[in-house]
Amino acid sequence: AQKVTQAQTEISVVEKEDVTLDCVYETRDTTYYLFWYKQPPSGELVFLIRRNSFDEQNEISGRYSWNFQKSTSSFNFTITASQVVDSAVYFCALSEAENTGFQKLVFGTGTRLLVSP
Amino acid sequence: DVKVTQSSRYLVKRTGEKVFLECVQDMDHENMFWYRQDPGLGLRLIYFSYDVKMKEKGDIPEGYSVSREKKERFSLILESASTNQTSMYLCASSPRMPGQKETQYFGPGTRLLVL
Repeated sequence: AQKVTQAQTEISVVEKEDVTLDCVYETRDTTYYLFWYKQPPSGELVFLIRRNSFDEQNEISGRYSWNFQKSTSSFNFTITASQVVDSAVYFCALSEAENTGFQKLVFGTGTRLLVSP
Repeated sequence: DVKVTQSSRYLVKRTGEKVFLECVQDMDHENMFWYRQDPGLGLRLIYFSYDVKMKEKGDIPEGYSVSREKKERFSLILESASTNQTSMYLCASSPRMPGQKETQYFGPGTRLLVL
């Protein structure tokens, strides 16, 4: 069965520090997709990134970067120079194909990031 | 811009009541999903639908049912609410795409308290 583990339940940093959120996944599929979502206090999950299992290139988007390593089944997320607005719960997710061929997402339990001024 | 709306942000109901949670998306997406989110458990899939009038059970369907009469609307029904259904409920939608690369877009969530 597919599984996503976010071992860090909560992380506290001071503004401008760099922080890395870990995500480890398990799957038997050769083709899969990995996602990161952000859930601010308002509650809505905001899509951040989707990665194909065949594309191991690191990705950078502003202060956000993602490191995908198939060898360790990890898809870690780094925020550089953190800001108070980065305070949120972050979820990592893995897609799996149902027997019907339809996609389901398997979510980790989330990491709560608290950035203090 | 992607838009998924849910009928209520907060809801308080009594045990035994029938509860309807409504979700509407304006992106013409084929797929719609209902999740519940509980501390320490992440998001768990209750039901999903890949077409009008079609539904599939997720991981925790017990105590819930769904209805999809129109493409843009997906309703979650608690036939007889119980206190263990107190939770945050999140609706999502996604377009139908080949493979597994659909991205799900989420609504703001409904915090349900069952007394």
